[in-house]
Amino acid sequence: DAKTTQPNSMESNEEEPVHLPCNHSTISGTDYIHWYRQLPSQGPEYVIHGLTSNVNNRMASLAIAEDRKSSTLILHRATLRDAAVYYCILRDRYGGATNKLIFGTGTLLAVQP
Amino acid sequence: EAGVVQSPRYKIIEKKQPVAFWCNPISGHNTLYWYRQNLGQGPELLIRYENEEAVDDSQLPKDRFSAERLKGVDSTLKIQPAELGDSAVYLCASSVTGNYNEQFFGPGTRLTVL
Repeated sequence: DAKTTQPNSMESNEEEPVHLPCNHSTISGTDYIHWYRQLPSQGPEYVIHGLTSNVNNRMASLAIAEDRKSSTLILHRATLRDAAVYYCILRDRYGGATNKLIFGTGTLLAVQP
Repeated sequence: EAGVVQSPRYKIIEKKQPVAFWCNPISGHNTLYWYRQNLGQGPELLIRYENEEAVDDSQLPKDRFSAERLKGVDSTLKIQPAELGDSAVYLCASSVTGNYNEQFFGPGTRLTVL
């Protein structure tokens, strides 16, 4: 399975944009890039996913490098509620019966008021 | 819409005792997952069900762990006997069959084995 590398922790100020990086240099052409986040004492929560093109939804934006070896999750205006562990995950779109999410240790985002 | 429900939220037992966790997925979600999350780590998949069938249980320690999903809805994960190293958060998730993009997680059961 292709691996991802994320910083262990990041800090942001409230109401400022946050850019969370993820490196995945061994990504294959059939791997989707997923982002989940986990708030304290809760289960993970889906944020966004993409394959090649940048993606936007109500929660965040996903910017994917042209060579797909890295991506960035963008929170446009951080709030205190965005403090969480953010996981960048690769999933093979043709994984079939073994299709699953493999979580790493993620990035712990702290948001300062 | 109700989310994934898990119970209990917390469980403290002594080693060698049995323990069971219960999960009720989101209505209409035929795919159900059990994960284990150790402190400071991301969740690790234990087993995945499609309806009543366990389609991926390769990470389930079968000597002491068992799971069932008899009617294709609720599921139970059991440990017997529990060991100190089983202390972790056990998470249940569900998704629409065939939709591998978005899994919906419950709040988890925090197990402490003394």
